[in-house]
Amino acid sequence: GAVVSQHPSRVICKSGTSVKIECRSLDFQATTMFWYRQFPKQSLMLMATSNEGSKATYEQGVEKDKFLINHASLTLSTLTVTSAHPEDSSFYICSARAPGLTAKNIQYFGAGTRLSVL
Amino acid sequence: AQTVTQSQPEMSVQEAETVTLSCTYDTSESDYYLFWYKQPPSRQMILVIRQEAYKQQNATENRFSVNFQKAAKSFSLKISDSQLGDAAMYFCAYRSRRSGNTPLVFGKGTRLSVIA
Repeated sequence: GAVVSQHPSRVICKSGTSVKIECRSLDFQATTMFWYRQFPKQSLMLMATSNEGSKATYEQGVEKDKFLINHASLTLSTLTVTSAHPEDSSFYICSARAPGLTAKNIQYFGAGTRLSVL
Repeated sequence: AQTVTQSQPEMSVQEAETVTLSCTYDTSESDYYLFWYKQPPSRQMILVIRQEAYKQQNATENRFSVNFQKAAKSFSLKISDSQLGDAAMYFCAYRSRRSGNTPLVFGKGTRLSVIA
């Protein structure tokens, strides 16, 4: 099946630094990718929808200047957490859907990134 | 806006037995998709089963089947012959068909334990 690769799987950074998370679709072109955040023992919360070649659409309450999303190609979307603070520590998951797979309308997920801000 | 409700935060089942996880949703749309995703301790989201709202027949994938009641807006997951590897968080999800960019809306999840 389709594979979505997400890197890094784990990152620890100092407060005030920026962290970039990459999400790649390995065997299909993803015009749309989604970024989720998951707190411990909670559900996935949609942060933003990333569309190739255009600006991301952010959910209400998500700071777009804090969480920069770039979807520069059909196989890569990046999430940059700028000036990270301890409250940004969380599990971030990306997901992708491709036109060729819309007949099944399945979203494939990356393995997630655990961000810890010290 | 659509909402998905999973009323069972935790469930347990004996190995080889059958368990049913509940899910209800609220929508004014008539055409949509419903999914069950599994999240094991590795936290990798894995698709278990999907259902298209226009199909009356309940979806089945090996030991997993759903009971889709469109009028009642109910979408339960039945796991037969439960195995230790079925232990995980299970999320019910909804997706509109109105466009290609609509995201999944998730329920809060049900943690399933399998007892040997």
